[in-house]
Amino acid sequence: AQSVTQLDSHVSVSEGTPVLLRCNYSSSYSPSLFWYVQHPNKGLQLLLKYTSAATLVKGINGFEAEFKKSETSFHLTKPSAHMSDAAEYFCVVILSGGYQKVTFGIGTKLQVIP
Amino acid sequence: DAGVTQSPTHLIKTRGQHVTLRCSPISGHKSVSWYQQVLGQGPQFIFQYYEKEERGRGNFPDRFSARQFPNYSSELNVNALLLGDSALYLCASSLSAGVETQYFGPGTRLLVL
Repeated sequence: AQSVTQLDSHVSVSEGTPVLLRCNYSSSYSPSLFWYVQHPNKGLQLLLKYTSAATLVKGINGFEAEFKKSETSFHLTKPSAHMSDAAEYFCVVILSGGYQKVTFGIGTKLQVIP
Repeated sequence: DAGVTQSPTHLIKTRGQHVTLRCSPISGHKSVSWYQQVLGQGPQFIFQYYEKEERGRGNFPDRFSARQFPNYSSELNVNALLLGDSALYLCASSLSAGVETQYFGPGTRLLVL
């Protein structure tokens, strides 16, 4: 069985300050982990992914995430928020061993205050 | 290059009816996945197809079915519609069935009255 928990449904930051969006996962096997972003009235876009290579993963638009097996976490960070970062962010775990199972978190809505 | 396309963009049905949603993947992609996103929640995985075979299934009732065609396009069928089936249905394509980056379409918004 697998599950994803996004610890905050809403996060509010001021423009120029750091962003932290938290994600914890539960999986019986080594998972692959993703972060996707969904802007209003736009499709889901991949930010970054972890697939058992380097534990610190860099993505688009200055985002990065660190896979911590001991903490079963995959938190998303960005040093300095921009107004265009306001969107909903989803943490995703995928198990693939012949038969794939994909689990999305409930999402974290990021608000950036000017 | 065209991205993932879905049709129709919006659809209104009544309870008990049947609906068919369509998806065309990015050229060269052989895998298509379907998701249901209810308002205010994250997408829920319904199916994945690769080379016309089912390769993944989420926790959805048998009223939900899908298929993939030789040109890798796909259809999602939902029978005996319920009010709770109202949602945004997303299609995603990827190169293969493994842990690949999925590219999402804009979705079909289904309203069941």
